[in-house]
Formats: sequence, structure tokens, C-alpha cells
Amino acid sequence: GQSLEQPSEVTAVEGAIVQINCTYQTSGFYGLSWYQQHDGGAPTFLSYNALDGLEETGRFSSFLSRSDSYGYLLLQELQMKDSASYFCAVRSGTDKLIFGTGTRLQVFP
Amino acid sequence: EADIYQTPRYLVIGTGKKITLECSQTMGHDKMYWYQQDPGMELHLIHYSYGVNSTEKGDLSSESTVSRIRTEHFPLTLESARPSHTSQYLCASSETGSGTDTQYFGPGTRLTVL
Repeated sequence: GQSLEQPSEVTAVEGAIVQINCTYQTSGFYGLSWYQQHDGGAPTFLSYNALDGLEETGRFSSFLSRSDSYGYLLLQELQMKDSASYFCAVRSGTDKLIFGTGTRLQVFP
Repeated sequence: EADIYQTPRYLVIGTGKKITLECSQTMGHDKMYWYQQDPGMELHLIHYSYGVNSTEKGDLSSESTVSRIRTEHFPLTLESARPSHTSQYLCASSETGSGTDTQYFGPGTRLTVL
């Protein structure tokens, strides 16, 4: 079967750095995406990795290791507004995304 | 900013009723998707479309049906709603050839079947 595993919950304080891991097992792989979803809101795109390495976008960075079927999202200088659920998603082919189980991030003052 | 709309935002309905959840996008995207998501849980793909007159079932079996008569419109229909259909339904769209395969999501319809 196809699966993407993430920790269910992560907590941190404002200003800290947090890493959310994602391990995947899929029949095909074209890229790993990350989406943010606030409670009651819609998922919004954060980042995409098709090749190994680190992609940086402001306070957020995303890493991919295809040989390890592993990636992570790194959030720096955490702010209260970063409290949300974060989903990794794999494009395994034909433009469909398979979403991970989601990680709920709680940022405390 | 993504221009994808869903109506209604909230719907409470009795068992056995027929319902249609509307989804429209003004970005001209050829691909559209329907996901089902329970609170705090992952998104499950239930239907997708690669263009007009193209629809496919997703990875999660669903009793709903979809149609794609116009590029911008992708409604989802439940012929006979049941309490097990209670969930949030999210519509999304994406553009062919987009290097990042970004999907843009609508605000969702939260459906409750009594």
C-alpha cells in the first residue's frame, strides 16, 4: 500500500525552531509537497521538493532525501500564527497527491 | 490568491436527501479534485478530473458522483445522504505543467447528515 507517516503532534515556543518529519512509501515518486491548514481553514501550499536537498522560503525550509524516502519541514522563528496542521503530500503519478496523516503544531508564548 | 469557491459552506440535512456541493474556480485550471476530511485527520481523494468530460474515482471509495461539463465547475452529488457521509468536503484545482503541482483549495463544505 501507499502511506506517508508524520508525527501526530509537535509543540514548541515562540521563536524556536521545529522540524516535522515525513516518511513515505509510495508506488511512484515525483515530488514531496507541504501544506499548512489552520483549524477550520483550507490547506495552503508551502513548498515542493522534487530533488534531494534543502529548499528555503523565508522562515520555512523543506528537505528531501529520495534514497531514504524521507523529508522534513523546518520552521524557524516560530510565531503564534504558525499553530496549524501540516501535511506532507507525495505526487506519485498522474498529478494525484497522496497526503500524510498530518502533524498538529502548537506554538506557545 | 487562489480563486476557488465552494457552496454551501455549511449544510445540515436529513437522511435520504439528495444534495449537491458546488465548486467553481476562475483560474482556468484543467485539473480539479474532491477530498473528504474528518476533523484532525488526513485528506482522502474521492474524485478527480483532468478536464471537461473527464472524471475518475479517487483512492477512497465514495457513494458520491461528480460531473465536469465546464472547465470551471466541478459539482459533487450525493443521491441519498446518510449519517456516515458527515464530514468536510474540500475541492481543489491545479494547472497542468505546473512544476510544483500546487493544488489550490476551496474553503470547504462542512456536511452534517442527521
